[in-house]
Amino acid sequence: GAGVSQSPSNKVTEKGKDVELRCDPISGHTALYWYRQSLGQGLEFLIYFQGNSAPDKSGLPSDRFSAERTGGSVSTLTIQRTQQEDSAVYLCASSFLPGTAFGTLQNEQFFGPGTRLTVL
Amino acid sequence: AQSVTQLDSQVPVFEEAPVELRCNYSSSVSVYLFWYVQYPNQGLQLLLKYLSGSTLVKGINGFEAEFNKSQTSFHLRKPSVHISDTAEYFCAVSKVAAGNKLTFGGGTRVLVKP
Repeated sequence: GAGVSQSPSNKVTEKGKDVELRCDPISGHTALYWYRQSLGQGLEFLIYFQGNSAPDKSGLPSDRFSAERTGGSVSTLTIQRTQQEDSAVYLCASSFLPGTAFGTLQNEQFFGPGTRLTVL
Repeated sequence: AQSVTQLDSQVPVFEEAPVELRCNYSSSVSVYLFWYVQYPNQGLQLLLKYLSGSTLVKGINGFEAEFNKSQTSFHLRKPSVHISDTAEYFCAVSKVAAGNKLTFGGGTRVLVKP
């Protein structure tokens, strides 16, 4: 079946502009994650949506970052008033939720190809 | 909180030679352990994982890793590498609760030379 998809694949924006990054998870995956990969900080967790529970936002670096997940499927990561240090590859991943009887697939997160964000 | 240390940032290796990528972790709770690979300009792909049971885990593409609880390590090995193994490799942990967030190491870039 289809994997995790992200759009756009590349985004160039000017400092101060807002950007929206989209993630389409694998069908049936009720857990969705956003990570950021940058040269200085490596791979960092940003936010985690776990079914109908409140999201874990503990990794968001500032209040300029927010994310939504509509209808338990598609997610949008929004960065307001972008700064040059926001330049990075933003990765989305999805997985099954705990308690689901999916054997060896438990805990495996499937990653999308990422969106490369460049802030000029 | 958990942390992951990959001791080598770059590992050059000749084709058909063995390779070992080192990973150590720190956690106050039990964790699951993972190795992911990232080929140039691609997303992350799971190589293998340790959830429970046998401490020697075999993954895709001939890779294997061994979980050592006393040394808090999860080193990745391959007995004979190919040019196509040139990639960046990430060790990661998550708390023992399915679907939890991953904490990654800094990555090890493997360059396989002919």
